Amino acid sequence: DAKTTQPTSMDCAEGRAANLPCNHSTISGNEYVYWYRQIHSQGPQYIIHGLKNNETNEMASLIITEDRKSSTLILPHATLRDTAVYYCIVRVGSGAGSYQLTFGKGTKLSVIP
Amino acid sequence: GAGVSQSPSNKVTEKGKDVELRCDPISGHTALYWYRQRLGQGLEFLIYFQGNSAPDKSGLPSDRFSAERTGESVSTLTIQRTQQEDSAVYLCASSLYFGRTGELFFGEGSRLTVL
Repeated sequence: DAKTTQPTSMDCAEGRAANLPCNHSTISGNEYVYWYRQIHSQGPQYIIHGLKNNETNEMASLIITEDRKSSTLILPHATLRDTAVYYCIVRVGSGAGSYQLTFGKGTKLSVIP
Repeated sequence: GAGVSQSPSNKVTEKGKDVELRCDPISGHTALYWYRQRLGQGLEFLIYFQGNSAPDKSGLPSDRFSAERTGESVSTLTIQRTQQEDSAVYLCASSLYFGRTGELFFGEGSRLTVL
């Protein structure tokens, strides 16, 4: 699996958009980008995933660059409950090993009142 | 309940003792995963079960670790002769067959402390 790099930590003012970057410069054509988050003392929670098109759901938006070497997770109006560690993961879409999600250290997002 | 259930939520044991951790996946989920998370670290993959296929045990750190799953139901992770470095939160997740969305549903974890 391709590796990802994320900033260790970020701050965001409550009510503002939180933009979390992720670099995945060695991503392969059949690898998806996934985002999970882990709120303190809880298990990780799925947020969103995409292959090459931008995606949006009720939680967030995912913007993937045209060359797919980086992506940005956007929380449009951050709240205090969005304070968590955010993991960016690349995963093969199908076939051998596609079930494995490799979690790095993620980005610790702190939403500040 | 509707989510992944793990027990015990907390376990304190003495070095050298065996421990067993349990995971009840979401009903209908054929895939089940165990991960380990040490304090301040990311998640380490341990083992993966998919239906009746042979499990992927490639992430188990030593032969003291083993896991079983009967069909598509409960799984148990067993750690024999526990060591202090085994202290961590052990997370279980389940999902529909991986070829679908790839969304994993995690439990709250079992926090293991080895004294």
